[in-house]
Amino acid sequence: GQNIDQPTEMTATEGAIVQINCTYQTSGFNGLFWYQQHAGEAPTFLSYNVLDGLEEKGRFSSFLSRSKGYSYLLLKELQMKDSASYLCAAMDSNYQLIWGAGTKLIIKP
Amino acid sequence: IAGITQAPTSQILAAGRRMTLRCTQDMRHNAMYWYRQDLGLGLRLIHYSNTAGTTGKGEVPDGYSVSRANTDDFPLTLASAVPSQTSVYFCASSRSTDNTEAFFGQGTRLTVV
Repeated sequence: GQNIDQPTEMTATEGAIVQINCTYQTSGFNGLFWYQQHAGEAPTFLSYNVLDGLEEKGRFSSFLSRSKGYSYLLLKELQMKDSASYLCAAMDSNYQLIWGAGTKLIIKP
Repeated sequence: IAGITQAPTSQILAAGRRMTLRCTQDMRHNAMYWYRQDLGLGLRLIHYSNTAGTTGKGEVPDGYSVSRANTDDFPLTLASAVPSQTSVYFCASSRSTDNTEAFFGQGTRLTVV
């Protein structure tokens, strides 16, 4: 079956670095997405990886290893506004997104 | 302002009633989707549409129907609501089905009692 695994909750300190991991199993693969979702709001797009390696975008970076079925989202210089859920989603061979349950990130001062 | 709009934002519905959730986008996106989001679960796809005039079933389509008469609108209908359909519903769109980014509406919080 198809499955996405990511931690339920993580806590980090303002100004620090945090890495949110995601493993996936899908029927075929057409890319790995990360979305941010603040409580009570809609998900918003953060990143997309389809090739192995690291994609950097400001304070956020996303990494993909297709052979390991593994991705991570790296957040640097954490700010209080980064407190949110981070959703990992893999696109299967039918171009359907399979979503993880999300990682709730709590930032402490 | 370009984007995707859902209505209503929240609704309490008696079981057995019919309800249509509205979704409109003005980005001229071909693909549109309906998801439900429940605590502890990932977003689950209910129905999708690759382009106007076509629809398809997602992971959890039972009890729901959709139509795509034009590019902009993608309403979701619950024919006879049941308590298990209590959820937050998100409509989303993307340029195409293999597009890299989906844009989400603000969600509809539906409670079936």
